[in-house]
Amino acid sequence: GAVVSQHPSWVICKSGTSVKIECRSLDFQATTMFWYRQFPKQSLMLMATSNEGSKATYEQGVEKDKFLINHASLTLSTLTVTSAHPEDSSFYICSAVHSSSYEQYFGPGTRLTVT
Amino acid sequence: SQKIEQNSEALNIQEGKTATLTCNYTNYSPAYLQWYRQDPGRGPVFLLLIRENEKEKRKERLKVTFDTTLKQSLFHITASQPADSATYLCALLNTGNQFYFGTGTSLTVIP
Repeated sequence: GAVVSQHPSWVICKSGTSVKIECRSLDFQATTMFWYRQFPKQSLMLMATSNEGSKATYEQGVEKDKFLINHASLTLSTLTVTSAHPEDSSFYICSAVHSSSYEQYFGPGTRLTVT
Repeated sequence: SQKIEQNSEALNIQEGKTATLTCNYTNYSPAYLQWYRQDPGRGPVFLLLIRENEKEKRKERLKVTFDTTLKQSLFHITASQPADSATYLCALLNTGNQFYFGTGTSLTVIP
């Protein structure tokens, strides 16, 4: 149990285009999902907290207009990187918090490369 | 400022020995502390959660301690195996229901 999926697992896009990444909790409900970014050999950096039915809360320094988050249901959150630039290339990981146990389960990550 | 530090970037130990990883934090009041394992190119995998009112938690060969006075958690892997080689991350859940991760420790178990 407690599986989180991400789609796509990797994507290459051209500079200026937008990319949407989906995060799904497959067998549990999560009122809260988190989006992280990880650069090579660095730890995860929290980008935003996504709460079902409400606006996402962004960490300091993260542009909300560039990283659009939508948490449409208790099992789905999406992150859209708008007008992507090469510096947005990174490993994006989502997680879903089990509503009752507070255990956090991560998706497998999405490798984004902007050319 | 808030900070979560893990003892070292890399730790090498001999197979069969106990690996001990440290997580220290400042300026947090965590309700929970968690440990994760991350393999290269993969998302972290949840291992153990310990609450602020718990001193110790065990799961098979894993043991976690949590000292809120010292603001420290220790993560032990007993009878270590080469398959335990990975990066281990500690994470705090603060009162705002947000998770913050430590810098990670890369563990290598030498056969």
